[in-house]
Amino acid sequence: DGGITQSPKYLFRKEGQNVTLSCEQNLNHDAMYWYRQDPGQGLRLIYYSQIVNDFQKGDIAEGYSVSREKKESFPLTVTSAQKNPTAFYLCASSRGTGGSPLHFGNGTRLTVT
Amino acid sequence: QKEVEQNSGPLSVPEGAIASLNCTYSDRGSQSFFWYRQYSGKSPELIMFIYSNGDKEDGRFTAQLNKASQYVSLLIRDSQPSDSATYLCAVTLSSGGGADGLTFGKGTHLIIQP
Repeated sequence: DGGITQSPKYLFRKEGQNVTLSCEQNLNHDAMYWYRQDPGQGLRLIYYSQIVNDFQKGDIAEGYSVSREKKESFPLTVTSAQKNPTAFYLCASSRGTGGSPLHFGNGTRLTVT
Repeated sequence: QKEVEQNSGPLSVPEGAIASLNCTYSDRGSQSFFWYRQYSGKSPELIMFIYSNGDKEDGRFTAQLNKASQYVSLLIRDSQPSDSATYLCAVTLSSGGGADGLTFGKGTHLIIQP
């Protein structure tokens, strides 16, 4: 079955540590996205990539980094510079053409203490 | 001005009734509109998308779009307890042409009362 796999489902880290969230898709989609969701908040765009080896900052990119070395993979690193990293992180993909819907993975819930 | 606005709710609807969810957006150039359903602790799943003015029906769901009023709505007929969830409205901004993802509202929490 085609889909988007995020791992791990839950992640716990100490403050000051970098952590990498995995996202893999087998939908053959060109575009991939990372969103963050906080309680009672909508989804906010962190980074997106429309093609391999290229990515753009979203609305809240500070404290995050990404790479897109393969079409299928778009890992997100939450660095120690991110002031409030505890959140629900959602990876999504789409065909990338204007108006294409996003398909989401199951999410990673990150808790930093 | 917020780009996509929804009433956060909760919106309480009796089982079997019609649930009406509303969304307004500020970017007059937006071309594509989506409704996602999100159960607590889960990721959003696509319910409907609509690109043209008017109504689009899919089973118990109807999406309505009025670009002149910058308004999009979702109607759920014969509401079931399993419809209880948060419904997210999302649009593509004209500045990105949709390639930069979707802009989401904060969602409306819908409760279907048995």
